[in-house]
Amino acid sequence: GAGVSQSPSNKVTEKGKDVELRCDPISGHTALYWYRQSLGQGLEFLIYFQGNSAPDKSGLPSDRFSAERTGGSVSTLTIQRTQQEDSAVYLCASSLGLGPTEAFFGQGTRLTVV
Amino acid sequence: AQRVTQPEKLLSVFKGAPVELKCNYSYSGSPELFWYVQYSRQRLQLLLRHISRESIKGFTADLNKGETSFHLKKPFAQEEDSAMYYCALRTGGFKTIFGAGTRLFVKA
Repeated sequence: GAGVSQSPSNKVTEKGKDVELRCDPISGHTALYWYRQSLGQGLEFLIYFQGNSAPDKSGLPSDRFSAERTGGSVSTLTIQRTQQEDSAVYLCASSLGLGPTEAFFGQGTRLTVV
Repeated sequence: AQRVTQPEKLLSVFKGAPVELKCNYSYSGSPELFWYVQYSRQRLQLLLRHISRESIKGFTADLNKGETSFHLKKPFAQEEDSAMYYCALRTGGFKTIFGAGTRLFVKA
């Protein structure tokens, strides 16, 4: 596609349920990022994939959060046993990964845990 | 530690007034710095990058390595500049971290 695509755009889930958020990056982009955007918290780095290298998971807030990237393209962010504090907009971005290139963002998935 | 600090959560100015959004960074290597903007109901998008030394929509930002700053400036704010602005630091490993953001509100 022409841009980064995320699905679903909105997700309401009950506390304790697992959720999966999907990201389709721009074709050819080797770098993929997940961020969390919370009111008053700004943009919080979660995880970063670059090519075939091991992902940088340093931003994942707890072991309930995990992400994978299959075939160097599509990525899935999974949140297990969701809590109300997980409610936020989850943003995915991709970039060429080489040189000072910009990151292109998806429209985000708004997650609401009730 | 790598860190981006935007000290102001909200900045409110009148139309036509100068605006400066502050950004300070902490990074031991050679930084690559960016400003991203998010207008209402739109995606986060790149505004400008320090390496290009460009002026976009009247905004400029100068990298000051001595002060580890990358403040965003515009001499005359416009109402359409109202948005959320994020300063970003890209490290040598290509990981990009963002500041907490500053909401700019330009009043008529």
